Amino acid sequence: DTGVSQNPRHKITKRGQNVTFRCDPISEHNRLYWYRQTLGQGPEFLTYFQNEAQLEKSRLLSDRFSAERPKGSFSTLEIQRTEQGDSAMYLCASSPGTSYEQYFGPGTRLTVT
Amino acid sequence: GQSLEQPSEVTAVEGAIVQINCTYQTSGFYGLSWYQQHDGGAPTFLSYNALDGLEETGRFSSFLSRSDSYGYLLLQELQMKDSASYFCAVKNQAGTALIFGKGTTLSVSS
Repeated sequence: DTGVSQNPRHKITKRGQNVTFRCDPISEHNRLYWYRQTLGQGPEFLTYFQNEAQLEKSRLLSDRFSAERPKGSFSTLEIQRTEQGDSAMYLCASSPGTSYEQYFGPGTRLTVT
Repeated sequence: GQSLEQPSEVTAVEGAIVQINCTYQTSGFYGLSWYQQHDGGAPTFLSYNALDGLEETGRFSSFLSRSDSYGYLLLQELQMKDSASYFCAVKNQAGTALIFGKGTTLSVSS
C-alpha cells in the first residue's frame, strides 16, 4: 500500500493558462474525491468518482474545471483559463466501498500569478 | 445544507488534556469524523462516531451526541507533535463526500 499520490506537488502558472493535475489513488479503492483547500479553511469538496463514473460535482466546480477517471484508476483534474482565485491546495482522496474513512494524498499546490 | 462550527484556535502545554468541540447542522446524518492535518501535510483520519457515546483510540477519544448535534475530540497527554489543525467533518446529503469545518489550530508548548 503506497498511499495516494499526486503530481505535481507544486505548480506555478500565469493567469489564463491551463493546468492539469494527476491523482493515483490506493489501488483497491473504487471511490475517488477531489477537494480544494485554501489557507485557514477546511477542504472543500469538488467532485466524486465511483470507479470511472463521475457521480457528483460541487457548485464550486465551474465550467473551467473538468475531471476524469478513465478506467477507474488514476484521475486528472484540469483547470482551464486559470484565475488568481484558483490558487489553492488541490487534494485528492480515495476510499474503499462505503468506508467512512478517506485517505488523502499530499496535494498539489497551485499558484496563479 | 451542512455546516460545522468549531473553535479556531486552542493552546495547551505538554502533558495536558484538551477538548475540541464541534457543532453541526445537517440535512442527513451519516456520522461525525475527525481529521488531523499538520502544516503542509495531508489530512489524516483520526476517528469516526456514528452512534452516541465515546470512542477511544489511544490518547485520542471522540464523543458524539446526535440529539445535540454536537461532538468533541479529546486529546490526552499532549505532545509537541500534536500541534496541528483538527477538522470535524460530516458527509454531504448524498452520503458521499465530506463537508469539513474550518478547523481548529492546536498549539502545544513545552
